[in-house]
Amino acid sequence: NAGVTQTPKFQVLKTGQSMTLQCAQDMNHEYMSWYRQDPGMGLRLIHYSVGAGITDQGEVPNGYNVSRSTTEDFPLRLLSAAPSQTSVYFCASSYSAGEKLFFGSGTQLSVL
Amino acid sequence: QQQVKQSPQSLIVQKGGISIINCAYENTAFDYFPWYQQFPGKGPALLIAIRPDVSEKKEGRFTISFNKSAKQFSLHIMDSQPGDSATYFCAARRNKLIFGAGTRLAVHP
Repeated sequence: NAGVTQTPKFQVLKTGQSMTLQCAQDMNHEYMSWYRQDPGMGLRLIHYSVGAGITDQGEVPNGYNVSRSTTEDFPLRLLSAAPSQTSVYFCASSYSAGEKLFFGSGTQLSVL
Repeated sequence: QQQVKQSPQSLIVQKGGISIINCAYENTAFDYFPWYQQFPGKGPALLIAIRPDVSEKKEGRFTISFNKSAKQFSLHIMDSQPGDSATYFCAARRNKLIFGAGTRLAVHP
């Protein structure tokens, strides 16, 4: 039982490049979400999903896309990376919306 | 504009002391209020949570106090230990979980 798995752990991008952060969970959780963590800003919700085929925006969705084709996977796409997207990204999942979130180990992203 | 306001930003406590972290919210539709603990290099993990129909919840050395009329809730860590040194986040839920800005706690021996 791996829990929530995020890849990659580290990534450096150039401004304008695109990439996908992967997130997979093996706990059969319906609810999945993406957060970014910045110093002094806490954890800010980017996008979330309450089940396969259903996604919605969080607090800071601009510049990011998500899709949820399966229960297990919830990838986060950066369309055209900007330095302001330099952050640590966490994927999290739970049985019901927002209750006892299980977090992945994070992806540290730098955009130059 | 942060929906959940957390204070203080950082806190230093001596071993054996009481650590207190406060949070305030505006949205009365929030229905679940958890606290998460995060160690460096790790993802946050659920520490303790409360629902608005309860005024206090205690689990070991950790207690949440909830004041519905004031729209505030706080985390108390009794007999604080160096191993409690971490960043603590309060959060509130209405369909999705919104976090506060975090408090970095250092417990000195």
